[in-house]
Amino acid sequence: SQQGEEDPQALSIQEGENATMNCSYKTSINNLQWYRQNSGRGLVHLILIRSNEREKHSGRLRVTLDTSKKSSSLLITASRAADTASYFCATESGGSYIPTFGRGTSLIVHP
Amino acid sequence: EPEVTQTPSHQVTQMGQEVILRCVPISNHLYFYWYRQILGQKVEFLVSFYNNEISEKSEIFDDQFSVERPDGSNFTLKIRSTKLEDSAMYFCASNFGGHRSYEQYFGPGTRLTVT
Repeated sequence: SQQGEEDPQALSIQEGENATMNCSYKTSINNLQWYRQNSGRGLVHLILIRSNEREKHSGRLRVTLDTSKKSSSLLITASRAADTASYFCATESGGSYIPTFGRGTSLIVHP
Repeated sequence: EPEVTQTPSHQVTQMGQEVILRCVPISNHLYFYWYRQILGQKVEFLVSFYNNEISEKSEIFDDQFSVERPDGSNFTLKIRSTKLEDSAMYFCASNFGGHRSYEQYFGPGTRLTVT
C-alpha cells in the first residue's frame, strides 16, 4: 500500500509552541504532499515535496523528506490558535496523479 | 483567487434515491476528481476524469456511481440508488495535471446524508 500514516493521531499544544507531525509510507513515491483540513471543510494544499528533495519551507511550515526511512515531517513553528485543524500527508507514485491520504493528525492549539 | 465550488453544501436523501452532486472546477484546469470522507475516517479517492472520460477509478466507484461533465464548467457525481453507507462528505478537486502540477485544489465538500 502507498498509504501514508500520520503520527501522532492527536497533538495538543499551546500557542507559540512548535508542532511536529510525522508521516510514514511503505513504498517508493514520486512526491508527498501535506494538506490541512479545518473541521467540516475541504482540504487545503500546504506543501508538495518531490522525492529528490529533502526539505522545503513555506512561511511557518517546514517539511522534510527522508526517502531512506520512507518518512516525512511537517513542522509548524510559532503555532497559532488558527492552526487548529487536521493535517494529512498524501503520497503519489508511479504514473498516477492520485494522492493516497493517511488518517491525519488532529492538531489543537490552545490560545 | 479562483476556487472550486460545490453544491449543495448538504444533501439529505432517502435510501434508494438518486442524487447528483455538482462541482464547478477551476476554469483552466484539465483534471477533475471526486473523493469521499466518511465521518472520522480518511479521505478516499473515487474517480479522476480527463478529456471527457474516466482516467482512473477506485474499487469504491462501482456501477452505482457515474460522473459527467455536461458542459464546459460543471462536473457532476451521480449516485443511482443511494445506500446508508454512502453517507459521507464528498469532495471535488481539480488541477492542471501532468508535469505542470500535482497539487489538487479541493472544493468545500457536499455532506450527503442517506436516511
